[in-house]
Amino acid sequence: GQNIDQPTEMTATEGAIVQINCTYQTSGFNGLFWYQQHAGEAPTFLSYNVLDGLEEKGRFSSFLSRSKGYSYLLLKELQMKDSASYLCAANTGGFKTIFGAGTRLFVKA
Amino acid sequence: DTEVTQTPKHLVMGMTNKKSLKCEQHMGHRAMYWYKQKAKKPPELMFVYSYEKLSINESVPSRFSPECPNSSLLNLHLHALQPEDSALYLCASSQEVRLAGTGNEQFFGPGTRLTVL
Repeated sequence: GQNIDQPTEMTATEGAIVQINCTYQTSGFNGLFWYQQHAGEAPTFLSYNVLDGLEEKGRFSSFLSRSKGYSYLLLKELQMKDSASYLCAANTGGFKTIFGAGTRLFVKA
Repeated sequence: DTEVTQTPKHLVMGMTNKKSLKCEQHMGHRAMYWYKQKAKKPPELMFVYSYEKLSINESVPSRFSPECPNSSLLNLHLHALQPEDSALYLCASSQEVRLAGTGNEQFFGPGTRLTVL
């Protein structure tokens, strides 16, 4: 079967660092995406990993371990506007992407 | 232009109505998608068009009928929907060909919030 697991909710403090984990089990795998989705809005692309290792993009970094079926999204210097849902998504081949249920991040002052 | 637009933003319809959702992109993407998203749930893939041809239909009921009139437009025709079809309908687009080192990341429109009475 196809399965993506990520924590339901996390809370962190403004200015801090937070790591959102994701594990996946899919029948095919062509890369792992992270999207940010604010309530009532469309998902926006944050990062893509297809090879093992860390990809850094400003305040956001994403890590992938293909052998472990594991990824994380690291958010540094948290800001209030980072309060959103973060969706882990796996491309399983071709145009098929399956999404995790999302992790709702609350950033408090 | 890196935007995907969708109309209408909100739609309320009865179970006997026929309506259409529209999606447009001008990024030259040749793959376009329809997703359905319920509250606090992930987007669920419904259809994928590649070069204006239906590539994937995720066993969606026939009361949803997609159409891709040209490379920039994607429609979703709705007929005889049920209240459980109420959801946010998201359109997305991506490149057809994945360039080395990049993913076919999808660009999403703002969605149409559909309520079926």
